[in-house]
Amino acid sequence: NAGVTQTPKFQVLKTGQSMTLQCAQDMNHEYMSWYRQDPGMGLRLIHYSVGAGITDQGEVPNGYNVSRSTTEDFPLRLLSAAPSQTSVYFCASSWTVSYNEQFFGPGTRLTVL
Amino acid sequence: SQQGEEDPQALSIQEGENATMNCSYKTSINNLQWYRQNSGRGLVHLILIRSNEREKHSGRLRVTLDTSKKSSSLLITASRAADTASYFCATEGAQKLVFGQGTRLTINP
Repeated sequence: NAGVTQTPKFQVLKTGQSMTLQCAQDMNHEYMSWYRQDPGMGLRLIHYSVGAGITDQGEVPNGYNVSRSTTEDFPLRLLSAAPSQTSVYFCASSWTVSYNEQFFGPGTRLTVL
Repeated sequence: SQQGEEDPQALSIQEGENATMNCSYKTSINNLQWYRQNSGRGLVHLILIRSNEREKHSGRLRVTLDTSKKSSSLLITASRAADTASYFCATEGAQKLVFGQGTRLTINP
């Protein structure tokens, strides 16, 4: 199993550009989530999904969109990139969120100029 | 605002010593988890303790949970250089897992 994969590993954007961060898992997990990690801030939840077709907002959803058309994939879209979105983004998955460990991807380091 | 807050923010000890990190949270939880993050990498799950448990062990790790004080502690015994990492607590409730800011642990040879 590849586990949780994320692409790209690194990305540089200009302010106003849009892009999609990809996340895929091959463990048939129902629950998937996106976090951003800023220095000294720990991880903050952006969006999460409890299954295909179901998504909800986390702590910091503004400026991001998600969709979950399949169990395996959970892409994160930046609509109009801003310097404040410079961060490291992590995708995670688990069977369910309750009483289950989260499996994390390796992260995408995003810089917005 | 984040659910968990960890203390201390940074900890530096000698190899072989024990390391203790604390986590406090604000609302009721289903369970509390601890994760480790090596520099530049994704998080790795260490241990999960349910709200009705008081203590749990896994190898050199010992986790306690006091729901009356809304706090947890992670003890790493006989530390090794490879334990150098950031450690995060995460609380689960309402279909979300919310992380604290982490403790940066450095083990000196």
